[in-house]
Formats: sequence, C-alpha cells, structure tokens
Amino acid sequence: EVQLVESGGGLVQPGGSLRLSCAASGFTFSYYAVNWVRQAPGKGLEWVSGISGSGGRTYYADSVKGRFSISRDNSKNTLYLQMNSLRAEDTAVYFCARQGYSSYWYIDSWGQGTLVTVSS
Amino acid sequence: QSVLTQTPSVSAAAGQKVTISCSGSSSNIGNNYVSWYQQLPGTAPRLLIYDNNKRPSGIPDRFSGSKSGTSATLGITGLQTGDEADYYCGTWDSSLSAVVFGGGTRVTVL
Repeated sequence: EVQLVESGGGLVQPGGSLRLSCAASGFTFSYYAVNWVRQAPGKGLEWVSGISGSGGRTYYADSVKGRFSISRDNSKNTLYLQMNSLRAEDTAVYFCARQGYSSYWYIDSWGQGTLVTVSS
Repeated sequence: QSVLTQTPSVSAAAGQKVTISCSGSSSNIGNNYVSWYQQLPGTAPRLLIYDNNKRPSGIPDRFSGSKSGTSATLGITGLQTGDEADYYCGTWDSSLSAVVFGGGTRVTVL
C-alpha cells in the first residue's frame, strides 16, 4: 500500500524558515516523480513544486520560486521542501503527492497533509 | 484567479447526473492530458480520472471524463449523498512550465 506521511509543519513567523518532510513507503520511491501541493484555509488546491524520480529536474510555481527548494533522498525514501522567507499567504495545508507513472502529469496518491501557519 | 476555470458549484437530486466543466487554453488543456480529483470534507484529495478519461482501479464507472479542445468535463451519474465534495481539474501548462488546477466545484446533493 502506498503511504505518504508529511511532517515538519507548524507555526512560524513571517520571514522565517521551515523544512517539510514526506516519508514514502509501499513503492519504489526512486521510480516516481513527487510533488508538493498546498491548500490555504477554505481555498482550492495550489501546486507548489515537483521533482523527478532521480532528483535531476525540479519545477516551481511562480509564487514560491526563489524562496522554496524541493529535494529528495532516495536512499531514505524521503521528499523535502525547504521554505524560506515565509509569508502570511504561505499559510496552508501542504500535501505530499506522488505523480502517476505516465508521460502525462497527474497525482495518483496523496498524503494527509501538514499544516503550516505563518503568523506573528 | 485560477488558470483553469470551473463553475463554483453545482447541485442535483440523488440519482440524477451532474457535469462539471473545466475551461483552459491551448497551453494547458488544449495540449495536455487532464486529471480530476475529489476532495471530501476534511480529507486529502483522491484521484478520480487521469489522462482525460481513464479511471483508476476502485473508482466506479459512475464517474467519467472527457475532453474537447481547451475544455474538459467530469460527469457523475447516479448521484449519491457520498458524492458531496469539492472536485478539481488539473493539468500541466506548457507555457508556465507548471501544474495548474481549477478553482474547484462544490457538488451538493439535494
């Protein structure tokens, strides 16, 4: 069974930093691209970032480019999101999401999410 | 403002059919495959449709997807109270080099 378990969320002040982790199990982690998708309170889904299976290619939404960094450690089956210069508008539940094994983008498995609150 | 446009809400009686539209452009829906997600209240999203019209195992055939030009549609037949949820479309946008989602459609069963 595919499992994605996020951790690292919490309360942080504006301008601060936080690192999210996502522990994957139940599949060969290095075979799959993975993404971070967030959802602000009462709002819709917003894609944040994605990384290829090898980690060689990364992609970012314009809203986080230059502030967030995605990475992965395939030896530990873990995905990371380093978030710097956090703003109030970054407050959201952050989901770790596995991309389908296809040439075309879609998400086939989601974690339960971790809440990040940016407030003074 | 989302890159993909969805009607904010739709409703129908139990047993009836609803369709949810997702409108985009040539840089996203027009030249890429669309997926659809269901998010029940308080839970993580779940994949309903991928590659425009394919259903993952375990998704009932009451759910269907289609695409024409720069628009995509999710259909739900035999509506059930358990289908009350938010539904999102998503795809890759080749111009933005980013994934884009619709703003979501809330389905209410009357």
